[in-house]
Amino acid sequence: TQLLEQSPQFLSIQEGENLTVYCNSSSVFSSLQWYRQEPGEGPVLLVTVVTGGEVKKLKRLTFQFGDARKDSSLHITAAQPGDTGLYLCAGEYAGGTSYGKLTFGQGTILTVHP
Amino acid sequence: DTGVSQDPRHKITKRGQNVTFRCDPISEHNRLYWYRQTLGQGPEFLTYFQNEAQLEKSRLLSDRFSAERPKGSFSTLEIQRTEQGDSAMYLCASSQQGTSLEQYFGPGTRLTVT
Repeated sequence: TQLLEQSPQFLSIQEGENLTVYCNSSSVFSSLQWYRQEPGEGPVLLVTVVTGGEVKKLKRLTFQFGDARKDSSLHITAAQPGDTGLYLCAGEYAGGTSYGKLTFGQGTILTVHP
Repeated sequence: DTGVSQDPRHKITKRGQNVTFRCDPISEHNRLYWYRQTLGQGPEFLTYFQNEAQLEKSRLLSDRFSAERPKGSFSTLEIQRTEQGDSAMYLCASSQQGTSLEQYFGPGTRLTVT
């Protein structure tokens, strides 16, 4: 079983603070994605990283894929209340088929207080 | 295009009853996935279709579960003789072959078994 472990599980911060969420595995993933999910809704794709060492920026969000493609991080600068939600990492295992079966982490619940 | 849609959004049923959920993927997407998400966890893969062919089923999908995609467009997921442990959010996602990294999720069907 290919597991993705996210940390922290819960994060409660004040508006304007920075934060980092981590996603780690002992397995190699051919790609890794980050999603944001609102209560009662499906996950919404934020970014996909495919190359070891890759860094992608999306406004105040910075995503990094580890060199060995076993870990990833999501960094948010100057968090805003609108960033509140469940953040999920998901990966396609490198040793599996190539049709997009995703393994998800358990998620990080982020709350940003005004 | 309106994205992935799922129906119903909520379903409350009594233990032992059968339920059926529907997913309409993005029209040009030939790949369709079902996932299940319980409270506080990330989604777990259930099954995958490429066009009308069901190519993989998770061990989570017991013999009470069946999924179809008869014409390679919409898909249905049926649960027979529901149990309280089946209570979860059932998510559908679709992607286009060749870009399977980009999975788009529907809003989910929240099932409550009483």
